[in-house]
Amino acid sequence: QKEVEQDPGPLSVPEGAIVSLNCTYSNSAFQYFMWYRQYSRKGPELLMYTYSSGNKEDGRFTAQVDKSSKYISLFIRDSQPSDSATYLCAMTYTQGGSEKLVFGKGTKLTVNP
Amino acid sequence: KAGVTQTPRYLIKTRGQQVTLSCSPISGHRSVSWYQQTPGQGLQFLFEYFSETQRNKGNFPGRFSGRQFSNSRSEMNVSTLELGDSALYLCASSFRAVQETQYFGPGTRLLVL
Repeated sequence: QKEVEQDPGPLSVPEGAIVSLNCTYSNSAFQYFMWYRQYSRKGPELLMYTYSSGNKEDGRFTAQVDKSSKYISLFIRDSQPSDSATYLCAMTYTQGGSEKLVFGKGTKLTVNP
Repeated sequence: KAGVTQTPRYLIKTRGQQVTLSCSPISGHRSVSWYQQTPGQGLQFLFEYFSETQRNKGNFPGRFSGRQFSNSRSEMNVSTLELGDSALYLCASSFRAVQETQYFGPGTRLLVL
């Protein structure tokens, strides 16, 4: 079982839809949770960052963490064609005094005008 | 502030050759991490350098090595290239730690023939 599982999609939605992207993880030691967005031919860029269970909102984006279920989500409200990209979840933990960072494989999202 | 730059952007090599990739972090950032991204495995952590010392290492063979210079610029070297090394190699920089906001470069796309 991989440490972080993410549905690769692809996911195609109409403009204005609410998008839900999800990741599950198996290691309860994960402490920090992030969502990155990667446009084609570009490097990933950090969208959201959180370390506690609950919701964190930033504009049209909401990150949700449920540590008891080992599940994180990213919600995009009023999706726009410019949101079309690959979304990667990532999480970190400390092992042997050093930080380990693990990414999901990414979900490719297309928002159709 | 200039972003993370990587050179070259594209590279074609043959099996058995070696390759060196370069990364210039954002000014003031001391942590540089390297990642390999492939469609099958997603984004995988190679190693992280901080103040010229390797601080973290992923699960890659010894053919993959790196170094960091006093100006925080970093190089990654892959020796005895294999077909499976074809990937997008991404560099990311942050001020101090892996879980902080990492800024990714555009990547170097390596094709091994």
